[in-house]
Amino acid sequence: KQEVTQIPAALSVPEGENLVLNCSFTDSAIYNLQWFRQDPGKGLTSLLLIQSSQREQTSGRLNASLDKSSGRSTLYIAASQPGDSATYLCAVRRLTGGGNKLTFGTGTQLKVEL
Amino acid sequence: GAGVSQSPRYKVAKRGQDVALRCDPISGHVSLFWYQQALGQGPEFLTYFQNEAQLDKSGLPSDRFFAERPEGSVSTLKIQRTQQEDSAVYLCASSLAGYTDTQYFGPGTRLTVL
Repeated sequence: KQEVTQIPAALSVPEGENLVLNCSFTDSAIYNLQWFRQDPGKGLTSLLLIQSSQREQTSGRLNASLDKSSGRSTLYIAASQPGDSATYLCAVRRLTGGGNKLTFGTGTQLKVEL
Repeated sequence: GAGVSQSPRYKVAKRGQDVALRCDPISGHVSLFWYQQALGQGPEFLTYFQNEAQLDKSGLPSDRFFAERPEGSVSTLKIQRTQQEDSAVYLCASSLAGYTDTQYFGPGTRLTVL
């Protein structure tokens, strides 16, 4: 059974700091990995999707890397801003029969302080 | 265009009541997913539809949970004889098609069972 772990569970940083969020998964037979952010009381917003054949994806101040063989992904946020405060979730997709589901980690709750 | 919408946004039920949660996916999206998110946890997969076909229902926690998508667009998640452990946020997501596509999430329905 695929298990996804995110470290740290919570993180508080001053504005402007660069930071790294970690995601690890136990089964490397994944199709892709996706990073989401979740704001309180709201749904998930997709940030980056990395196919299993890719090593990294970039969008603005965000960079996500994937090392499938070691079962790890990192999300790098440059020059953090208070608006980045949210819970960040990683999720992996593995084809299982007719299924197409995402397996999520428990998230990293990020607070960027002024 | 419009994103994924869910209704109601909040639902309070007395233990033993039946509830129905609705999801309107993005128009033209073939795949539709339901997830359950307990407080402080990542979302957990419940079920998956491709058009009107329910291809994976392995995550439904009991036979009290039932989902349908009769015309391949709107979906309803029904929970019969609700229990306190059913209290969670129920998230719906849709994707255009296929395994490589990003899943777009709705805002969720927060169910509280008293």
